[in-house]
Amino acid sequence: GAVVSQHPSWVICKSGTSVKIECRSLDFQATTMFWYRQFPKQSLMLMATSNEGSKATYEQGVEKDKFLINHASLTLSTLTVTSAHPEDSSFYICSARVPGGPNTGELFFGEGSRLTVL
Amino acid sequence: AQRVTQPEKLLSVFKGAPVELKCNYSYSGSPELFWYVQYSRQRLQLLLRHISRESIKGFTADLNKGETSFHLKKPFAQEEDSAMYYCALRTSGTYKYIFGTGTRLKVLA
Repeated sequence: GAVVSQHPSWVICKSGTSVKIECRSLDFQATTMFWYRQFPKQSLMLMATSNEGSKATYEQGVEKDKFLINHASLTLSTLTVTSAHPEDSSFYICSARVPGGPNTGELFFGEGSRLTVL
Repeated sequence: AQRVTQPEKLLSVFKGAPVELKCNYSYSGSPELFWYVQYSRQRLQLLLRHISRESIKGFTADLNKGETSFHLKKPFAQEEDSAMYYCALRTSGTYKYIFGTGTRLKVLA
């Protein structure tokens, strides 16, 4: 199957700093990637849909100035948590869909990135 | 509003017993449903989708539009089935995926 890789897998930062998380599709081109946030023992909450070459589409209640998404190439989307605060601590997961082909509809997930803001 | 409901947070069964993980959805369009699984310390991965109507690792799920359900079933649970299971709905057009809250399945020896 297709491979999606996230980096870093975990990061600790001080309050007020910004953190960038990368999501790469390793063996396919992803025109669309999705960013999820997962709180402990809770479901994945869709934050935004990242579209290559255009602005991301944010879900209701997600601050676009807080969570900057850039999808500059067909294999890379980045999520930047700006001016991070302890309440931003969470597990962030990206996923991508393989356009067309036999796996159409299947989402491939990254390993996730655990952010801890001190 | 689009919503996926998994009423059970935790389901414990003994090895060899039947398993049914419930999933109900709310969506005005034509639904496309999936089951994703997350084994311990691994990433989420697709288990099965309703379109394929296939059995994966002994699991099956039938889409019941009348009851708006997509329950996951397995006749004889195995210890290696212990994992977190998420039901997901993909919306048409925007291709957004909405996940349920997940059910943790524990298969006891």
